[in-house]
Amino acid sequence: ELKVEQNPLFLSMQEGKNYTIYCNYSTTSDRLYWYRQDPGKSLESLFVLLSNGAVKQEGRLMASLDTKARLSTLHITAAVHDLSATYFCAVDMGLGGDKIIFGKGTRLHILP
Amino acid sequence: NAGVMQNPRHLVRRRGQEARLRCSPVKGHSHVYWYRQLPEEGLKFMVYLQKENIIDESGMPKERFSAEFPKEGPSILRIQQVVRGDSAAYFCASRDRGAEAFFGQGTRLTVV
Repeated sequence: ELKVEQNPLFLSMQEGKNYTIYCNYSTTSDRLYWYRQDPGKSLESLFVLLSNGAVKQEGRLMASLDTKARLSTLHITAAVHDLSATYFCAVDMGLGGDKIIFGKGTRLHILP
Repeated sequence: NAGVMQNPRHLVRRRGQEARLRCSPVKGHSHVYWYRQLPEEGLKFMVYLQKENIIDESGMPKERFSAEFPKEGPSILRIQQVVRGDSAAYFCASRDRGAEAFFGQGTRLTVV
């Protein structure tokens, strides 16, 4: 079964702290996405990771990919309240890598 | 270069009516995906289509739901005889084979 597992599913943290969200997936893939979603809104693309060892950074967010471990991380540095949202990882899976499967999302709440 | 366009953005239907959701992919993209997001949940894969063909519909409910992606025009997700449980956000994505997927803004269906 094709699975994408995120943890934690809920995270409440103080401003200024660092934390990491983990995304494990069950089969070989060559593309992984991270999205942000605010309540009632659409998906905002954050990162697309294509290769083993890929690391991308944008502001206080940094994403990495380990294809051998089938693991991606989204690291938050010195969190600020504006980063409160739900974060999803999604992986290209299935025959020919054509099916995109989402994790359940991590609901991040940053306390001022 | 317009992105993925979904319409309507909001749709209200009474129980028993039909809902038609439209998705115009990025120009030139031949692959379309539909996802459903129930309130407070992640995105669940429904169906994957290429022009005039359904490639994978493993996530589609067996009854009342259908999808098409004709040679000309947008992809359509059709829900017949809607019930309250169909209330959700429906997202469409498009891409070329092997390339990055782009998501639309979603259609929020409310069944009253």
